[in-house]
Amino acid sequence: DQQVKQNSPSLSVQEGRISILNCDYTNSMFDYFLWYKKYPAEGPTFLISISSIKDKNEDGRFTVFLNKSAKHLSLHIVPSQPGDSAVYFCAAKGTGGADGLTFGKGTHLIIQP
Amino acid sequence: DTEVTQTPKHLVMGMTNKKSLKCEQHMGHRAMYWYKQKAKKPPELMFVYSYEKLSINESVPSRFSPECPNSSLLNLHLHALQPEDSALYLCASSLGPGQVSYEQYFGPGTRLTVT
Repeated sequence: DQQVKQNSPSLSVQEGRISILNCDYTNSMFDYFLWYKKYPAEGPTFLISISSIKDKNEDGRFTVFLNKSAKHLSLHIVPSQPGDSAVYFCAAKGTGGADGLTFGKGTHLIIQP
Repeated sequence: DTEVTQTPKHLVMGMTNKKSLKCEQHMGHRAMYWYKQKAKKPPELMFVYSYEKLSINESVPSRFSPECPNSSLLNLHLHALQPEDSALYLCASSLGPGQVSYEQYFGPGTRLTVT
Protein backbone atom coordinates (compact mmCIF):
# COMPACT_ATOMS: atom_id res chain seq x y z
CA ASP A 1 0.00 0.00 0.00
CA GLN A 2 1.34 3.39 -0.99
CA GLN A 3 1.99 5.52 2.07
CA VAL A 4 2.90 8.68 0.15
CA LYS A 5 0.75 9.60 -2.83
CA GLN A 6 1.21 12.15 -5.57
CA ASN A 7 -1.93 11.79 -7.63
CA SER A 8 -0.93 14.07 -10.49
CA PRO A 9 1.66 12.39 -12.74
CA SER A 10 2.16 15.65 -14.62
CA LEU A 11 1.39 19.36 -14.36
CA SER A 12 1.79 22.07 -16.97
CA VAL A 13 2.12 25.71 -15.83
CA GLN A 14 2.84 28.91 -17.69
CA GLU A 15 6.10 30.70 -16.93
CA GLY A 16 5.63 33.36 -14.26
CA ARG A 17 2.52 31.75 -12.76
CA ILE A 18 2.26 29.72 -9.57
CA SER A 19 2.92 25.97 -9.62
CA ILE A 20 1.16 23.93 -6.93
CA LEU A 21 2.20 20.32 -6.39
CA ASN A 22 0.19 18.16 -4.02
CA CYS A 23 1.03 15.18 -1.83
CA ASP A 24 -1.04 13.02 0.54
CA TYR A 25 0.17 10.53 3.12
CA THR A 26 -1.47 7.80 5.12
CA ASN A 27 1.04 6.95 7.86
CA SER A 28 0.43 8.98 11.04
CA MET A 29 3.96 8.16 12.22
CA PHE A 30 5.54 10.37 9.57
CA ASP A 31 6.87 13.49 11.26
CA TYR A 32 9.10 15.15 8.67
CA PHE A 33 8.36 15.88 5.03
CA LEU A 34 10.63 16.86 2.18
CA TRP A 35 10.40 17.88 -1.44
CA TYR A 36 13.01 16.88 -4.00
CA LYS A 37 13.54 17.88 -7.61
CA LYS A 38 14.96 15.32 -10.02
CA TYR A 39 16.28 15.38 -13.55
CA PRO A 40 16.63 12.13 -15.53
CA ALA A 41 19.72 10.06 -14.68
CA GLU A 42 20.61 12.35 -11.76
CA GLY A 43 20.14 12.06 -8.02
CA PRO A 44 17.28 13.92 -6.33
CA THR A 45 18.10 17.48 -5.26
CA PHE A 46 16.74 18.61 -1.90
CA LEU A 47 14.44 21.64 -2.15
CA ILE A 48 12.62 22.28 1.10
CA SER A 49 11.38 20.45 4.17
CA ILE A 50 8.85 20.84 6.95
CA SER A 51 8.51 19.34 10.39
CA SER A 52 5.12 18.04 11.52
CA ILE A 53 5.02 20.70 14.26
CA LYS A 54 4.83 23.46 11.64
CA ASP A 55 2.24 24.26 8.99
CA LYS A 56 4.34 26.38 6.65
CA ASN A 57 7.95 26.75 5.61
CA GLU A 58 9.23 29.22 3.04
CA ASP A 59 12.53 29.44 1.17
CA GLY A 60 12.74 31.94 -1.63
CA ARG A 61 10.31 30.98 -4.40
CA PHE A 62 9.41 27.72 -2.66
CA THR A 63 6.80 27.36 0.09
CA VAL A 64 5.62 24.10 1.60
CA PHE A 65 2.29 23.89 3.43
CA LEU A 66 1.36 21.04 5.77
CA ASN A 67 -2.22 20.20 6.82
CA LYS A 68 -1.65 17.50 9.40
CA SER A 69 -5.34 16.79 10.05
CA ALA A 70 -5.89 16.15 6.34
CA LYS A 71 -2.52 14.38 5.95
CA HIS A 72 -1.81 16.65 3.02
CA LEU A 73 1.07 18.82 1.96
CA SER A 74 1.68 21.05 -1.01
CA LEU A 75 4.63 22.76 -2.64
CA HIS A 76 4.11 26.22 -4.11
CA ILE A 77 6.60 27.62 -6.59
CA VAL A 78 6.15 31.27 -7.48
CA PRO A 79 6.97 32.61 -9.95
CA SER A 80 7.55 29.47 -12.02
CA GLN A 81 10.62 29.52 -14.24
CA PRO A 82 11.66 27.32 -17.20
CA GLY A 83 14.45 25.78 -15.09
CA ASP A 84 11.81 24.44 -12.71
CA SER A 85 10.76 21.85 -15.28
CA ALA A 86 11.62 18.50 -13.66
CA VAL A 87 10.08 15.64 -11.69
CA TYR A 88 9.19 16.62 -8.14
CA PHE A 89 9.09 13.97 -5.42
CA CYS A 90 7.36 14.31 -2.10
CA ALA A 91 9.04 12.26 0.66
CA ALA A 92 8.25 11.48 4.27
CA LYS A 93 10.28 10.26 7.23
CA GLY A 94 9.26 8.36 10.35
CA THR A 95 10.15 9.31 13.90
CA GLY A 96 13.52 7.54 13.98
CA GLY A 97 16.58 9.75 13.73
CA ALA A 98 18.02 7.92 10.73
CA ASP A 99 14.93 6.52 9.07
CA GLY A 100 14.91 6.14 5.33
CA LEU A 101 12.56 8.22 3.25
CA THR A 102 9.33 7.01 1.69
CA PHE A 103 8.79 8.67 -1.66
CA GLY A 104 5.69 9.41 -3.70
CA LYS A 105 5.66 8.49 -7.37
CA GLY A 106 6.52 12.01 -8.46
CA THR A 107 4.90 14.78 -10.49
CA HIS A 108 6.43 15.89 -13.76
CA LEU A 109 6.24 19.70 -13.81
CA ILE A 110 6.43 21.35 -17.21
CA ILE A 111 6.84 25.12 -17.35
CA GLN A 112 5.52 26.53 -20.61
CA PRO A 113 7.18 29.70 -21.99
CA ASP B 1 29.14 21.87 0.59
CA THR B 2 26.32 19.34 0.19
CA GLU B 3 28.10 17.00 -2.18
CA VAL B 4 27.80 13.24 -2.18
CA THR B 5 29.96 11.51 -4.78
CA GLN B 6 29.37 8.09 -6.29
CA THR B 7 31.56 5.91 -8.47
CA PRO B 8 31.31 4.54 -11.04
CA LYS B 9 28.72 6.58 -12.90
CA HIS B 10 27.83 3.62 -15.13
CA LEU B 11 28.43 -0.10 -14.62
CA VAL B 12 27.67 -3.07 -16.84
CA MET B 13 28.18 -6.48 -15.29
CA GLY B 14 27.38 -10.07 -16.01
CA MET B 15 25.41 -12.27 -13.69
CA THR B 16 28.54 -14.07 -12.44
CA ASN B 17 30.59 -10.93 -11.80
CA LYS B 18 31.49 -9.32 -8.49
CA LYS B 19 31.58 -5.54 -8.42
CA SER B 20 31.33 -2.71 -5.88
CA LEU B 21 29.65 0.67 -5.85
CA LYS B 22 31.27 3.45 -3.82
CA CYS B 23 29.86 6.51 -2.12
CA GLU B 24 31.66 9.29 -0.27
CA GLN B 25 30.64 12.38 1.67
CA HIS B 26 32.67 14.92 3.64
CA MET B 27 29.86 16.80 5.33
CA GLY B 28 30.38 15.12 8.69
CA HIS B 29 27.09 13.26 8.28
CA ARG B 30 26.65 10.19 10.49
CA ALA B 31 23.84 8.48 8.60
CA MET B 32 24.22 7.05 5.11
CA TYR B 33 21.72 5.31 2.86
CA TRP B 34 21.42 3.16 -0.24
CA TYR B 35 18.33 3.50 -2.45
CA LYS B 36 17.38 1.73 -5.65
CA GLN B 37 15.39 3.48 -8.37
CA LYS B 38 13.83 1.70 -11.35
CA ALA B 39 12.72 3.64 -14.40
CA LYS B 40 9.66 5.84 -13.83
CA LYS B 41 9.46 4.73 -10.18
CA PRO B 42 10.36 6.53 -6.96
CA PRO B 43 13.56 5.67 -5.05
CA GLU B 44 13.17 2.71 -2.69
CA LEU B 45 15.20 2.36 0.50
CA MET B 46 17.62 -0.58 0.70
CA PHE B 47 19.94 0.01 3.67
CA VAL B 48 20.63 2.59 6.38
CA TYR B 49 23.88 3.00 8.29
CA SER B 50 23.86 5.08 11.45
CA TYR B 51 27.21 5.83 13.09
CA GLU B 52 28.79 3.21 10.83
CA LYS B 53 26.46 0.46 12.00
CA LEU B 54 23.78 -1.12 9.84
CA SER B 55 20.49 0.00 11.34
CA ILE B 56 17.97 -0.80 8.61
CA ASN B 57 17.96 -3.57 5.97
CA GLU B 58 14.75 -3.47 3.96
CA SER B 59 14.75 -7.24 3.29
CA VAL B 60 17.26 -6.83 0.49
CA PRO B 61 18.54 -10.09 -1.12
CA SER B 62 21.96 -11.22 0.08
CA ARG B 63 23.46 -10.68 -3.37
CA PHE B 64 23.63 -7.03 -2.24
CA SER B 65 26.10 -6.56 0.62
CA PRO B 66 26.61 -3.11 2.14
CA GLU B 67 29.73 -1.98 3.98
CA CYS B 68 30.59 1.20 5.87
CA PRO B 69 34.39 1.32 6.34
CA ASN B 70 34.30 4.73 8.05
CA SER B 71 31.99 7.67 8.61
CA SER B 72 32.66 9.14 5.14
CA LEU B 73 32.47 6.03 2.98
CA LEU B 74 29.74 3.62 2.01
CA ASN B 75 30.12 0.65 -0.31
CA LEU B 76 27.64 -1.69 -1.92
CA HIS B 77 29.13 -5.04 -2.95
CA LEU B 78 27.33 -6.84 -5.76
CA HIS B 79 27.53 -10.55 -6.55
CA ALA B 80 25.48 -12.89 -8.75
CA LEU B 81 22.98 -10.21 -9.68
CA GLN B 82 19.95 -10.76 -11.89
CA PRO B 83 18.89 -8.69 -14.91
CA GLU B 84 15.97 -7.31 -12.87
CA ASP B 85 18.54 -5.69 -10.54
CA SER B 86 19.35 -3.22 -13.31
CA ALA B 87 18.52 0.21 -11.91
CA LEU B 88 19.90 3.54 -10.72
CA TYR B 89 21.55 3.05 -7.32
CA LEU B 90 21.51 6.17 -5.20
CA CYS B 91 23.55 6.96 -2.11
CA ALA B 92 22.44 9.61 0.36
CA SER B 93 23.62 11.03 3.68
CA SER B 94 22.13 13.02 6.52
CA LEU B 95 23.24 14.47 9.84
CA GLY B 96 21.93 11.44 11.72
CA PRO B 97 19.98 10.73 14.91
CA GLY B 98 19.50 13.43 17.50
CA GLN B 99 19.78 16.30 15.04
CA VAL B 100 17.26 19.03 14.32
CA SER B 101 17.06 18.52 10.58
CA TYR B 102 16.75 15.33 8.62
CA GLU B 103 17.43 16.37 5.07
CA GLN B 104 19.06 13.64 3.04
CA TYR B 105 21.49 14.69 0.33
CA PHE B 106 21.79 12.41 -2.65
CA GLY B 107 24.65 11.56 -4.94
CA PRO B 108 24.24 11.43 -8.73
CA GLY B 109 23.76 7.66 -8.70
CA THR B 110 25.33 4.67 -10.43
CA ARG B 111 23.44 3.37 -13.46
CA LEU B 112 23.78 -0.43 -13.22
CA THR B 113 23.01 -2.78 -16.09
CA VAL B 114 23.11 -6.54 -15.47
CA THR B 115 23.47 -8.64 -18.62
